[in-house]
Amino acid sequence: AQSVTQLGSHVSVSEGALVLLRCNYSSSVPPYLFWYVQYPNQGLQLLLKYTSAATLVKGINGFEAEFKKSETSFHLTKPSAHMSDAAEYFCAVRPLGNEKLTFGTGTRLTIIP
Amino acid sequence: ETGVTQSPTHLIKTRGQQVTLRCSSQSGHNTVSWYQQALGQGPQFIFQYYREEENGRGNFPPRFSGLQFPNYSSELNVNALELDDSALYLCASSLPGGENTEAFFGQGTRLTVV
Repeated sequence: AQSVTQLGSHVSVSEGALVLLRCNYSSSVPPYLFWYVQYPNQGLQLLLKYTSAATLVKGINGFEAEFKKSETSFHLTKPSAHMSDAAEYFCAVRPLGNEKLTFGTGTRLTIIP
Repeated sequence: ETGVTQSPTHLIKTRGQQVTLRCSSQSGHNTVSWYQQALGQGPQFIFQYYREEENGRGNFPPRFSGLQFPNYSSELNVNALELDDSALYLCASSLPGGENTEAFFGQGTRLTVV
C-alpha cells in the first residue's frame, strides 16, 4: 500500500524566512502527489499537485514543491513565510487510476513574528 | 459554481446512538469520498461513491455505511457510535479518474461522541 511520511509534526519559522516542509512517499510507481493546507476549523484546500508532468510544481500562495524520484520526496517550500501561512499542512498520495487519497500525519507550521 | 457543503457543522451524540452526516457535492461532480480525521491526525479514507455505487472502501467496520443520491449528494451513516468515532468527518467531491482530477473538500462535520 502506498503511504507518505511527513518529517516534523511541528515546524516554526520566522516571518520572511524560508519554509520547508518534508514529505516522502513509498511507491514503486510514481503516484500522484498533493499538498493540502488546513486552517483551524476548516476543510482541506489544495495547494498544489504533481501528476507526472513538470517535476517542479508551483501552487497557490507562493508555495512550490519538487518531485524527486531518486529520493522519493515531494518537499514543500516557500521562499518567504507570511503570518497567514500558519496552518496545518498535509502531504497526500493517490495511486494511478484510483481516487483514494492517503494522507500523512500533517505538519503544523507556526510563523514567528 | 457552488462548492462542497456539509451539514451539520457540529454534532454531539451519545455512545451507542446512530448518526447521519450529509454532503452536497460540487456542481457536476459525480464522485464523493468520505474521510475521518481524528484530532491531531491526517484524514483517513472511509469510502467512495461513484454514480450511486460504493467504489472503494478503507479499513472501517460495516457500521460505517453510505449512500449517494441521483443528484450526487451523499450521506455517511454511523451506527452504534463509539467514543473513538469522535472526529472531523470530511466529504470530498471530484470527477473520476485521470491526472487532472482534483478532490474538493467541504468544511467538515465535527462529531463528538460522549
